[in-house]
Amino acid sequence: DGGITQSPKYLFRKEGQNVTLSCEQNLNHDAMYWYRQDPGQGLRLIYYSQIVNDFQKGDIAEGYSVSREKKESFPLTVTSAQKNPTAFYLCASNSIIGYNEQFFGPGTRLTVL
Amino acid sequence: ELKVEQNPLFLSMQEGKNYTIYCNYSTTSDRLYWYRQDPGKSLESLFVLLSNGAVKQEGRLMASLDTKARLSTLHITAAVHDLSATYFCAVDNSNQFYFGTGTSLTVIP
Repeated sequence: DGGITQSPKYLFRKEGQNVTLSCEQNLNHDAMYWYRQDPGQGLRLIYYSQIVNDFQKGDIAEGYSVSREKKESFPLTVTSAQKNPTAFYLCASNSIIGYNEQFFGPGTRLTVL
Repeated sequence: ELKVEQNPLFLSMQEGKNYTIYCNYSTTSDRLYWYRQDPGKSLESLFVLLSNGAVKQEGRLMASLDTKARLSTLHITAAVHDLSATYFCAVDNSNQFYFGTGTSLTVIP
């Protein structure tokens, strides 16, 4: 089955800790994205990558970091510099050839204790 | 900065009624996407509209795109409770996607 997996589903972080959220896709998509969603809000772009070893900041990149060492994987690290990280994090991917429908993973819900 | 606005933000409608959700965007784009999100869940793709005048229908939902007016509509026909969800439109510009704020739809008996 092709799709996007995210882990963990729920994550609890203590203040001052860095945590890494996993995102893997087997759709052979070139582009991958991380979004943050706060309760009752839309999606805000954190980072995106269109090719291995390259990525760009989105609107709210401060306090986050990413890597793209493999086409299939785009992990997001929430650093201690992110002051209010409690949110729902969604990973998405799409092909850059043809039309670009984005497919989403199931999400990770991060809570700061 | 590209802006995508949806209205209404909240919609409560009776079963059996019709209604339309509007999505306006601020820059030229030939591609518009509609998604559905159930509470606590991820986004599920509903429609991909790729050109001016495009119309897609699935069950009680129909989406259309007017690129000249920079407007897309999502029309709900004879609403049923199962359609209760939040609906997002999105526009892509050079592989960066911009989402509307969402329309929270509640269908009441």
